[in-house]
Amino acid sequence: DQQVKQNSPSLSVQEGRISILNCDYTNSMFDYFLWYKKYPAEGPTFLISISSIKDKNEDGRFTVFLNKSAKHLSLHIVPSQPGDSAVYFCAAKGRGLNEKLTFGTGTRLTIIP
Amino acid sequence: GAGVSQSPSNKVTEKGKDVELRCDPISGHTALYWYRQSLGQGLEFLIYFQGNSAPDKSGLPSDRFSAERTGGSVSTLTIQRTQQEDSAVYLCASSFGGSKETQYFGPGTRLLVL
Repeated sequence: DQQVKQNSPSLSVQEGRISILNCDYTNSMFDYFLWYKKYPAEGPTFLISISSIKDKNEDGRFTVFLNKSAKHLSLHIVPSQPGDSAVYFCAAKGRGLNEKLTFGTGTRLTIIP
Repeated sequence: GAGVSQSPSNKVTEKGKDVELRCDPISGHTALYWYRQSLGQGLEFLIYFQGNSAPDKSGLPSDRFSAERTGGSVSTLTIQRTQQEDSAVYLCASSFGGSKETQYFGPGTRLLVL
């Protein structure tokens, strides 16, 4: 049972435009959400996170939005740059200490110059 | 180095052989996690260490998989009698611990079982 879902396996966006990556979850016990970016042959790199007590967190070009009632979060990248081309993973964890991350299957983002 | 390191970076083995994968976490990180990513899949949790003990081994797929951590630092993941379905990228992550602490990942070990 996939508790974190990224329904779009791929997304192409023109350079300079906004990229919006979506993620849905089913487990209401999830309390903290993260986005990771992964280049080929490298480990995932942490991008941005959000706690369930917030609905928005912004860091430079990256903003994460959380809609708890819909169990949905999204990552906005604006403006999109060629270096943003990578696979993006949504991850979630519960309230406990040192809980494991549950990941989505990823969305491959391609930025078109 | 400042990040999580893993070795080897690539491993090709024959079915039935044992393999050992190593992870060096970020200095000072007390929590250490192993995940794996099979082809076309998301990252799947395997095991978590707090210090040298493993409070959560729930993700280990079979008793052929085991892991240990010594000195609160280096961890090894051992796969005995490897099978072709064990082929995956094995990723290690570490954190300071806590409910909101970010996990930082190493580059992974790409395991191919022939």
